Order: sequence, then C-alpha cells, then structure tokens
Amino acid sequence: GESVGLHLPTLSVQEGDNSIINCAYSNSASDYFIWYKQESGKGPQFIIDIRSNMDKRQGQRVTVLLNKTVKHLSLQIAATQPGDSAVYFCAETHTGKLIFGQGTTLQVKP
Amino acid sequence: DAGVIQSPRHEVTEMGQEVTLRCKPISGHDYLFWYRQTMMRGLELLIYFNNNVPIDDSGMPEDRFSAKMPNASFSTLKIQPSEPRDSAVYFCASSPTGAHQPQHFGDGTRLSIL
Repeated sequence: GESVGLHLPTLSVQEGDNSIINCAYSNSASDYFIWYKQESGKGPQFIIDIRSNMDKRQGQRVTVLLNKTVKHLSLQIAATQPGDSAVYFCAETHTGKLIFGQGTTLQVKP
Repeated sequence: DAGVIQSPRHEVTEMGQEVTLRCKPISGHDYLFWYRQTMMRGLELLIYFNNNVPIDDSGMPEDRFSAKMPNASFSTLKIQPSEPRDSAVYFCASSPTGAHQPQHFGDGTRLSIL
C-alpha cells in the first residue's frame, strides 16, 4: 500500500543553525510532493512543493530535495528561527489525493 | 485575501447529538477537501469535491458521516449521531485544481464528543 513516513518524530536545533527534515515515500508513481508547516491550533500551512521532474526547488530560506531513486524527500530550512518551531508534514500524491506523513516536530533552541 | 474559513472553531457536545461543521473555500477554487486529524491516525482525507460534486468519499468512516456542497462557496460535514471516537480536529482545504496544486487549509474545528 501507499505510505509516507518521516524518519524522526522530533528534531531539536539551535537557533541560527540549518534544519533538515526527512521524509520517505513508498509509491514510485507519486509525482507531486508538498511540505506543510503546522503550528499549534492552526491548519497546515503550505511551505513549498516539487514535481517529480525536478530534483531541487528553493524558496525563501527553504529548499526541498527529491531523490526518486531512493524515494526520499527532504526539507532544508536555513538559519532556523524560533518562529520555525512547528510540526512539519510531507505529503505525496499521484492521484490528486494527498497522503500525509505522520509529521516531525521541529524545536528551535534559543 | 481571505483564506479557507471554518466554523465553529470549537464544538463540544454529547454523544448522540448531531454535529454540523461548516467551510467556506477560497473563492475561485474548484476543489474542496475535508480531513480529520488525530494523534493516532494523523491527517486523513474524508471526502473531496470538484465543482461542488463529490468525487471520492472512500475516506468517510461510516454512514454517520455525510458531506454536502450546495454551492461553490459553502460546504458542510455532518455527523449524526456523534460518538466519542469522532473527537478530532476537522480541517477543510481548497485548491484551484486537483492534482498538482497545493491545498490551502482552514484552521479547523476542534470537536469533542462527551
């Protein structure tokens, strides 16, 4: 069956350091991937997406890397700030229906 | 621009009661999605609509759950009768198109069934 999973449930980083959040997916047919950020009491907020015809995409302070060979997705956050503390979800789809991973909690230490 | 708007933000009711959750998608978005989030199961898609028509309701847990979209700017998710295991945060999301566009989420309804 399809599954999207995150390797680490909690990631703790020092303010100013770079963060890397990883995600594995099992369906090689997946062709679209999204990263969401969810703060307490709020809905998931879109961060960045990538299509399967790309390996890398950059946004403001964030970069998503896609390795289709090993079915791995990562989110890199540069110069992590306290406001980045949240739960991060990856999601994948090949049908239009998003399948979400379980989420990684990012804790930023001052 | 207004995002996806959900109401109520919180709902506490006794088991057996009918619960109605409401959603206003972003104007111009053709797709609307209902999700449920729990600690045990994470984010689960319940049902989604395209141009007000239900496309896939395979995630709806059972017949106690129903969803409607009478027009492009309004959708409801109804639970009747409600049970304690329905307690969760319910999210509505919308997207311009279905397959390769990010979905934009509301801030959810936190539902507690006593």
